[in-house]
Amino acid sequence: NAGVMQNPRHLVRRRGQEARLRCSPMKGHSHVYWYRQLPEEGLKFMVYLQKENIIDESGMPKERFSAEFPKEGPSILRIQQVVRGDSAAYFCASSPLLAGEDTQYFGPGTRLTVL
Amino acid sequence: AQSVTQPDIHITVSEGASLELRCNYSYGATPYLFWYVQSPGQGLQLLLKYFSGDTLVQGIKGFEAEFKRSQSSFNLRKPSVHWSDAAEYFCAGGGRRALTFGSGTRLQVQP
Repeated sequence: NAGVMQNPRHLVRRRGQEARLRCSPMKGHSHVYWYRQLPEEGLKFMVYLQKENIIDESGMPKERFSAEFPKEGPSILRIQQVVRGDSAAYFCASSPLLAGEDTQYFGPGTRLTVL
Repeated sequence: AQSVTQPDIHITVSEGASLELRCNYSYGATPYLFWYVQSPGQGLQLLLKYFSGDTLVQGIKGFEAEFKRSQSSFNLRKPSVHWSDAAEYFCAGGGRRALTFGSGTRLQVQP
């Protein structure tokens, strides 16, 4: 059973460009979460999605950031018009839809560098 | 507001020595609690978790943690540290929605 997959692992963008980060959850998992880790800091929650639904986006910046989890395909975190402050590691996690099983399993992350 | 605090930013221990990493939480009810480990440039690996029941939880790689409601703590322990345990350790709390992470404790292991 493959783990959570994220790609690309490293992404370099110039200021003003768009960044698209992809996350494929573990097989059988229907909940996806995105977190951001700034250098020397812990992870901060951004958004929680189920298939075709955004459940909680309380941690998402109000502008330039969006996320989706379509019926088919991976979850996408999209950052428009990137700025230097967006440079961070972005982690995706998934969990199964099982009563009492709320463990989140993390992918390897995408490290975004904005030049 | 929910919060998780890891008071120690950096800890150094000798190989073979015992280890305890501190974690304190602030939640209205008993939260789900987790310990994750992150090696440099890598993702997070789950070490152990507490949902309910037995307050002493066993995890992978010889780690254990004890939930103490009276102290609002969930400290991670290992009786004998190996050089390969050098990494960053994160305590987290939450449930099906967002996890709240502590700021992490970086562990160095001296030969």
